[in-house]
Amino acid sequence: GESVGLHLPTLSVQEGDNSIINCAYSNSASDYFIWYKQESGKGPQFIIDIRSNMDKRQGQRVTVLLNKTVKHLSLQIAATQPGDSAVYFCAENYNNAGNMLTFGGGTRLMVKP
Amino acid sequence: NAGVTQTPKFQVLKTGQSMTLQCAQDMNHNSMYWYRQDPGMGLRLIYYSASEGTTDKGEVPNGYNVSRLNKREFSLRLESAAPSQTSVYFCASSEAPSLSSKETQYFGPGTRLLVL
Repeated sequence: GESVGLHLPTLSVQEGDNSIINCAYSNSASDYFIWYKQESGKGPQFIIDIRSNMDKRQGQRVTVLLNKTVKHLSLQIAATQPGDSAVYFCAENYNNAGNMLTFGGGTRLMVKP
Repeated sequence: NAGVTQTPKFQVLKTGQSMTLQCAQDMNHNSMYWYRQDPGMGLRLIYYSASEGTTDKGEVPNGYNVSRLNKREFSLRLESAAPSQTSVYFCASSEAPSLSSKETQYFGPGTRLLVL
């Protein structure tokens, strides 16, 4: 059977370091993007969003960067903490798809104390 | 304010059995969604409801039906469960007042379903 989805990319960082999680999105017509954090056994939790008329947006300890030229989205977490350990998903919304989201495969962030 | 709640948390079914997953939100949101998440993968949209009284198919609707009972509640029904429907099911809601608007979706804790 297919196993490509069973092994998430993993980013391992030291506590206190900055983390950068990357996402390549698929549709050049997408104009709204969201980052979600999912802890084990829980539902996705909203972190930050960005619309296509922006290339950077900052929240508390998090920054999202959008590069529409290469269809790339990144999430930067400053001073990573053990509580940041989770799987992070990016999601995109096509500009003609109402509020329907398409999710990426996720990246697991592991924070070493 | 509980946000999005789902019942049950866990369920084991035999092939061919039916069941309904319940979802409710107390945020007065217009839009509600059902997703499934398979191991190590992102979420895939099953069905959504842009407003009370309307439902539409998402990416993977086969084998499922939904009911938008009222503004608060959106249920997902498996009429004849199959092992391929073993997954974690998430309900979400968003304010999204219209199909063209874009609003953050807020998720429930999930229902873990095993079909034997």
